[in-house]
Amino acid sequence: DTEVTQTPKHLVMGMTNKKSLKCEQHMGHRAMYWYKQKAKKPPELMFVYSYEKLSINESVPSRFSPECPNSSLLNLHLHALQPEDSALYLCASSQGGNSNQPQHFGDGTRLSIL
Amino acid sequence: AQRVTQPEKLLSVFKGAPVELKCNYSYSGSPELFWYVQYSRQRLQLLLRHISRESIKGFTADLNKGETSFHLKKPFAQEEDSAMYYCALRISNYQLIWGAGTKLIIKP
Repeated sequence: DTEVTQTPKHLVMGMTNKKSLKCEQHMGHRAMYWYKQKAKKPPELMFVYSYEKLSINESVPSRFSPECPNSSLLNLHLHALQPEDSALYLCASSQGGNSNQPQHFGDGTRLSIL
Repeated sequence: AQRVTQPEKLLSVFKGAPVELKCNYSYSGSPELFWYVQYSRQRLQLLLRHISRESIKGFTADLNKGETSFHLKKPFAQEEDSAMYYCALRISNYQLIWGAGTKLIIKP
């Protein structure tokens, strides 16, 4: 399995809702990432988990809460989002550590905040 | 400063013509560069990395440290090459700096 799988593909939520995005990989990768991508822009790094520990948080607002239950799974919990949070949320994984292997991306979850 | 510059937001060429997407970088260390491609409604996927020096889908890219460039080239464009192309520079084990992207349109 050489894929990063993200669910759901689309999500519409109100500003008071709580929802979660899910990401899974079975490539044995030990680093997992959340990115936010606005239309026609490059991805912006949000969080990095390395060996199931949060190693990078790019000053993301607390209404986004990441979780890494195990080495294959990554969640992003959403609460009280704002309309400007509407975007494509990408999960990626890579081997981790000092490996120079590239990041592999999922299809993303297209999130719309009403 | 660490920076990746893709000077063209949009590049439009005819099918069969040569293509060159420009990427310049600014980095004090030994650069590790990638080209990623995002076809319409598809995932962001790795196209090339300078370490591997391979040709994928007819594309090549050579790292020129003197000119701090990593331009992406293809001798004969095909319609299926139409996509968004991003150049990226690795600055740590986990962090990439991305260029703004170039939208490539191949006209029939």
